[in-house]
Amino acid sequence: GAVVSQHPSWVICKSGTSVKIECRSLDFQATTMFWYRQFPKQSLMLMATSNEGSKATYEQGVEKDKFLINHASLTLSTLTVTSAHPEDSSFYICSASPGGRNEKLFFGSGTQLSVL
Amino acid sequence: GENVEQHPSTLSVQEGDSAVIKCTYSDSASNYFPWYKQELGKGPQLIIDIRSNVGEKKDQRIAVTLNKTAKHFSLHITETQPEDSAVYFCAAPLTDKLIFGTGTRLQVFP
Repeated sequence: GAVVSQHPSWVICKSGTSVKIECRSLDFQATTMFWYRQFPKQSLMLMATSNEGSKATYEQGVEKDKFLINHASLTLSTLTVTSAHPEDSSFYICSASPGGRNEKLFFGSGTQLSVL
Repeated sequence: GENVEQHPSTLSVQEGDSAVIKCTYSDSASNYFPWYKQELGKGPQLIIDIRSNVGEKKDQRIAVTLNKTAKHFSLHITETQPEDSAVYFCAAPLTDKLIFGTGTRLQVFP
């Protein structure tokens, strides 16, 4: 299957700082990438759809200024959690599909963010 | 919009037994149904998927069945092994997105 690489796998930061998470498609080009958030023992909640060369599409209730998404190339999307607070602590996962749609999505390994 | 319900939330089976997880969806236009396996601290892994033009698909010990009339699809794991222990998620499409079920924690006891 296709490979999606995500870094870092975990990060601890102080409240008020910003954290950047990278998502790369290693063996295919991804015009679209999806960012999910997952709380312990819960399902995956879609945060936003990242579109190469254009603005991301955010789901209802997700703050655009809080979660900045940049999809500058066909293989890289980044999620920046700005001015992080303890309630932002969560498992963040990106995904992409070689077909460029929502079918056969391949996920990164996730990033565990802990905000102190 | 699409609503995906998944049952059971937890499932414990003895090694060698079968496990069945069921999902229902609401959008009759949905035509693609994947199943994902997520191990602790990792991202979900696509294990099998089915399109609406077939009723069943198999891959070794894993199978997925689809009933479009009833709007439900199920994951079947036969001859379960301890390494099958994980959380399993179903999903269904909503326009250009995937909506995930609530997950099933499967435990396979040796």
